[in-house]
Amino acid sequence: GNSVTQMEGPVTLSEEAFLTINCTYTATGYPSLFWYVQYPGEGLQLLLKATKADDKGSNKGFEATYRKETTSFHLEKGSVQVSDSAVYFCALSDRGGGGADGLTFGKGTHLIIQP
Amino acid sequence: NAGVTQTPKFQVLKTGQSMTLQCAQDMNHNSMYWYRQDPGMGLRLIYYSASEGTTDKGEVPNGYNVSRLNKREFSLRLESAAPSQTSVYFCASSEARGGGGNTIYFGEGSWLTVV
Repeated sequence: GNSVTQMEGPVTLSEEAFLTINCTYTATGYPSLFWYVQYPGEGLQLLLKATKADDKGSNKGFEATYRKETTSFHLEKGSVQVSDSAVYFCALSDRGGGGADGLTFGKGTHLIIQP
Repeated sequence: NAGVTQTPKFQVLKTGQSMTLQCAQDMNHNSMYWYRQDPGMGLRLIYYSASEGTTDKGEVPNGYNVSRLNKREFSLRLESAAPSQTSVYFCASSEARGGGGNTIYFGEGSWLTVV
């Protein structure tokens, strides 16, 4: 079956630090990969996505590259801000899967940025 | 921009009581989903509806029922609430099946406590 593994944290960084949140996946088909962000008390919002190998998704200074050879989709940002404090979820959608639909999520990484 | 709207936002139930979580989307999406979010578990799919008139079980369907009332609305019912169903529930929708890179849009969540 499909699965997503990500570092759980909490991850605590100082403002302007470089961020990497690791994400690896297992999938039976040809997945699309996503990063969602959840701010306190809110639902999940799509941050970025990539639909095929070597694609790079980017948004709000965040980037992630779909690496099929290492089955990874690590999230990076060059200089984080206090406003980036949130929980980040890596997820996959297996377009070829015959089982349950929707997304398979990692457990989430709580990111805390200190001024 | 309403997007995905779910009610109620907060609810406290006694063990054995029943209740229905309501969800509506105004994006003319075909697919709708119910997830639950628990600490350290990420999001897990309860039920989904790939199109109007169809529903299917997800990863954790036991203790729940769903109804796809029309294209806009997808409700989740707890027939006899148990403390293990204390969770945050998210309704979501997408244009088509989650595969192929279709983005899934989430509501703001419903916090349910069963005592």
